Amino acid sequence: NAGVMQNPRHLVRRRGQEARLRCSPVKGHSHVYWYRQLPEEGLKFMVYLQKENIIDESGMPKERFSAEFPKEGPSILRIQQVVRGDSAAYFCASSYRPEPQEQFFGPGTRLTVL
Amino acid sequence: QKEVEQDPGPLSVPEGAIVSLNCTYSNSAFQYFMWYRQYSRKGPELLMYTYSSGNKEDGRFTAQVDKSSKYISLFIRDSQPSDSATYLCAANQAGTALIFGKGTTLSVSS
Repeated sequence: NAGVMQNPRHLVRRRGQEARLRCSPVKGHSHVYWYRQLPEEGLKFMVYLQKENIIDESGMPKERFSAEFPKEGPSILRIQQVVRGDSAAYFCASSYRPEPQEQFFGPGTRLTVL
Repeated sequence: QKEVEQDPGPLSVPEGAIVSLNCTYSNSAFQYFMWYRQYSRKGPELLMYTYSSGNKEDGRFTAQVDKSSKYISLFIRDSQPSDSATYLCAANQAGTALIFGKGTTLSVSS
């Protein structure tokens, strides 16, 4: 009975490289949410996706960040041309219904940009 | 003003103490109120959520919401060292993104 899986758990990138973070939701969950947790800050919502659709990307930076949740396979959060300020823990959560208050979180991917 | 405010602590208590964790919020449209526990370098774990005002109890944990004062509380009875973690409150309207507080770090000493 696997929960939300995220990989890699730790990712190191140099400035200017691309980071790809993967999230496999709980089996049967079709709603995925991405959050970022910066040091000394709380969790910040980034984007909400349903299979093949972006529902709410109001928390996503306008440039360099993109997310997808294809019909098959995990959800991907992609950060192009990373900068040091992108260093953070990125968490994915999933829910069975479109109710964010019922979501379960994964263990996170810790991104370090050198 | 942030939509959800939470005192970061740290809060240190002896084992067996009653712990009170609190948040305030500014958006009167919020309907759901959540408490998450996050151990160091782990993902948040949902403890419980409540809808609108009132109390909800689950074992040693009790969540309270007072919408008139926009105040959210989590009480932990008979605290244990294993309760040492960061506690995050969150709120939202149905179907909208969760807004989190910054979290309160709790340490329970044996």
